[in-house]
Amino acid sequence: AQTVTQSQPEMSVQEAETVTLSCTYDTSENNYYLFWYKQPPSRQMILVIRQEAYKQQNATENRFSVNFQKAAKSFSLKISDSQLGDTAMYFCAFGSANTGNQFYFGTGTSLTVIP
Amino acid sequence: EAQVTQNPRYLITVTGKKLTVTCSQNMNHEYMSWYRQDPGLGLRQIYYSMNVEVTDKGDVPEGYKVSRKEKRNFPLILESPSPNQTSLYFCASSLGWDRASGYTFGSGTRLTVV
Repeated sequence: AQTVTQSQPEMSVQEAETVTLSCTYDTSENNYYLFWYKQPPSRQMILVIRQEAYKQQNATENRFSVNFQKAAKSFSLKISDSQLGDTAMYFCAFGSANTGNQFYFGTGTSLTVIP
Repeated sequence: EAQVTQNPRYLITVTGKKLTVTCSQNMNHEYMSWYRQDPGLGLRQIYYSMNVEVTDKGDVPEGYKVSRKEKRNFPLILESPSPNQTSLYFCASSLGWDRASGYTFGSGTRLTVV
């Protein structure tokens, strides 16, 4: 079975600073997908960024970028120029091309952006 | 607007009283899934469906039922709810062939069983 680990239950960052959220996963698959989802207080799950394992280039979406280390099975999220609206729970998720569309989620990191 | 619609948003019920949480998507997605979210445990999959009339258990299926009679609808049924099913529930859908697109989630249902 695949597992996803987020070892930082809570984090905080000053507004305009940069913060990195960690995620590691365990799999024997070679073809898979990784995602970061944001859950603000409204509890809506919002896709922040995605990474396909076969792509070596790290994904970037505006202020959000990932550091994907396939050999280390690590997938961290970097948020630059943090904004108050970034305050949310962040979930790392893993999806395998070989196990249908079942996604596995980490336990989440609660991020607070401090004014 | 492409979306997954869940109802109700909040529900308080008593132990043993059957309930159904509805889920509908308008994106013609083949794949639909139900998750429950609990503090410290993240999201855990309850059931999923690869297409009409095709459903399978996820990691925590006990106490739940689902059906997929139409492509757009995937209701979650609790035949005899118990307090340990108090949780935040999410329905999600995705294209069957485009696993890289990830899920589109509903807005969640906060269920309390007393």
